Amino acid sequence: AQRVTQPEKLLSVFKGAPVELKCNYSYSGSPELFWYVQYSRQRLQLLLRHISRESIKGFTADLNKGETSFHLKKPFAQEEDSAMYYCALSASNTDKLIFGTGTRLQVFP
Amino acid sequence: DAGITQSPRYKITETGRQVTLMCHQTWSHSYMFWYRQDLGHGLRLIYYSAAADITDKGEVPDGYVVSRSKTENFPLTLESATRSQTSVYFCASGTGLLTEAFFGQGTRLTVV
Repeated sequence: AQRVTQPEKLLSVFKGAPVELKCNYSYSGSPELFWYVQYSRQRLQLLLRHISRESIKGFTADLNKGETSFHLKKPFAQEEDSAMYYCALSASNTDKLIFGTGTRLQVFP
Repeated sequence: DAGITQSPRYKITETGRQVTLMCHQTWSHSYMFWYRQDLGHGLRLIYYSAAADITDKGEVPDGYVVSRSKTENFPLTLESATRSQTSVYFCASGTGLLTEAFFGQGTRLTVV
């Protein structure tokens, strides 16, 4: 079965500090992984996906198949990064898109 | 307007009543999903659909029913609402599993 684990419910940092939101997954096949973000009073939206190998708003995430992880990183957090972040896995053999429990990032001035 | 819309935005219903949450998308996306969002549980998949007339259970399907007679609509029905179904429900759609899923604005359902 597919599973996505985000061990931190809340992560609080000061502006300018590095941020790492952890995501681990379990899936027997070849995973497709995503990070979604939900800003206050806004819809959930895609932040980035591992197949694109892109950096969005200064965030990056590297798929580590050996550690089954897809941690989200940003070297210098900004106040506007405060939001709820969800890691997600799509399983091509079941057509499912599974989300983790989410991590709330608070960036203090 | 193009996009994905959910209705109603807010709903209060009584225990035991049947309630249907609507989801409509204008992109003709093949995939559609229903999630519930609860504190401590994140987003949990209720049902999903890879195409019209194809639906399948997600992680927490009990007490819910879906249909997909048309590509653009994916209603979620609570056959006999319970208090444990009080939640925020999100519908999403996408062209495939490798691409972005687009989310509706959510429906806040309270069962009293």
